[in-house]
Amino acid sequence: DIQLTQSPSFLSASVGDRVTITCRASQGIASYLVWYQQKPGQAPKLLIYGASSLQSGVPSRFSGSGSGTEFTLTISSLQPEDFATYHCQQLKTYPYTFGQGTKLEIK
Amino acid sequence: QVTLRESGPALVNSTQTLTLTCSFSGFSLSTYGMCVTWVRQPPGKALEWLALIDWDDDRYYSTSLKTRLTVSRDTSKTQVVLTLTNVDPLDTATYFCARIRHPGIRGIDSWGPGTLVIVSS
Repeated sequence: DIQLTQSPSFLSASVGDRVTITCRASQGIASYLVWYQQKPGQAPKLLIYGASSLQSGVPSRFSGSGSGTEFTLTISSLQPEDFATYHCQQLKTYPYTFGQGTKLEIK
Repeated sequence: QVTLRESGPALVNSTQTLTLTCSFSGFSLSTYGMCVTWVRQPPGKALEWLALIDWDDDRYYSTSLKTRLTVSRDTSKTQVVLTLTNVDPLDTATYFCARIRHPGIRGIDSWGPGTLVIVSS
């Protein structure tokens, strides 16, 4: 199975900050990497697909980059509604696997 | 508009079989490229991918759970059923069903609200 390692697991930041979350794959997955945002008690919401494409309706302060084994999710200027948990997922090979998640908290 | 909703027991005893149903609308599972997938999340923990059934009735499973999982669809193709045998308290989680289109590079674009299942010892 392809393992995904997210870092950091926890991140404390302030409104207006720029933050970056990393997801590393145990083997190459080309651009078959997506990012989700999840708030407590809710289902995940798709933010980025194909490593760098913004899902319709998602604010442009979210961006993704990377290919192969290393990927990043960047939020350019944190807004209050962005404090949540972020998950990466690979969809290159079955079984589709998730990272362990990154919880973004208000400093 | 695509909608999905999970249903099933909220409480299951250890060693029993858990059966969950995903009822969906807004797409057809017989259309090329359409898939339904299951994901679970233990309280306070990470998402775990479980299984997928596609438009061609091909099925894929989590490596660690494949001996206990079965995913199937009904003949009307508007419901997908997930069964997990011999449950344990470690299977306590919120279970989500979701739609994903082939190829998976576009990610899971529609999710059900999830259903919390507690496994009692």
